[in-house]
Amino acid sequence: DAEITQSPRHKITETGRQVTLACHQTWNHNNMFWYRQDLGHGLRLIHYSYGVHDTNKGEVSDGYSVSRSNTEDLPLTLESAASSQTSVYFCATGLAGENPTGELFFGEGSRLTVL
Amino acid sequence: LAKTTQPISMDSYEGQEVNITCSHNNIATNDYITWYQQFPSQGPRFIIQGYKTKVTNEVASLFIPADRKSSTLSLPRVSLSDTAVYYCLVGPMDSNYQLIWGAGTKLIIKP
Repeated sequence: DAEITQSPRHKITETGRQVTLACHQTWNHNNMFWYRQDLGHGLRLIHYSYGVHDTNKGEVSDGYSVSRSNTEDLPLTLESAASSQTSVYFCATGLAGENPTGELFFGEGSRLTVL
Repeated sequence: LAKTTQPISMDSYEGQEVNITCSHNNIATNDYITWYQQFPSQGPRFIIQGYKTKVTNEVASLFIPADRKSSTLSLPRVSLSDTAVYYCLVGPMDSNYQLIWGAGTKLIIKP
């Protein structure tokens, strides 16, 4: 079955360190998204990509970067981790524009703690 | 971008029908209404989507009045496993990135 895999599922790091969260999908979807979710809140969009070599900033992109070198992967990099980036990160894929429902498919999440 | 308003939390009991209403007064003509479910420590999961009137699938029903300024997610005969956070989102079907996620409705089902 097609799926989305996020790794690591849990990570603790220190302020100032570079961190990369991986997202790998086998849905063969063109569209991929990174969200963060803070306690008691909904999801906020960080970056998104509509295809290989395409990346776009979302609502809360400062301090984050992504790259899309193939269809399957969209790694999220925190160049210099800050305590404010402690959160749960979700990767999602979708077929917006191609799928009648515009449905998003989410990974299990990566919990990041920045000390 | 249309924002939504939904109750912060709701309680119900096993076997009951649960209706969660969402208000979206500024919905645009090309906007669809989509509901997601999220269990603790998991990503959200698509439940249902509609544009007008009524939509039903194996999990839920979605009722949308003619003015489309609100919608109601109906969960028939809930069980303990339906305890989750439910999100109502409004946006154009072809632009996932435009969806605004609120805090959702935390539904607690009691035995």
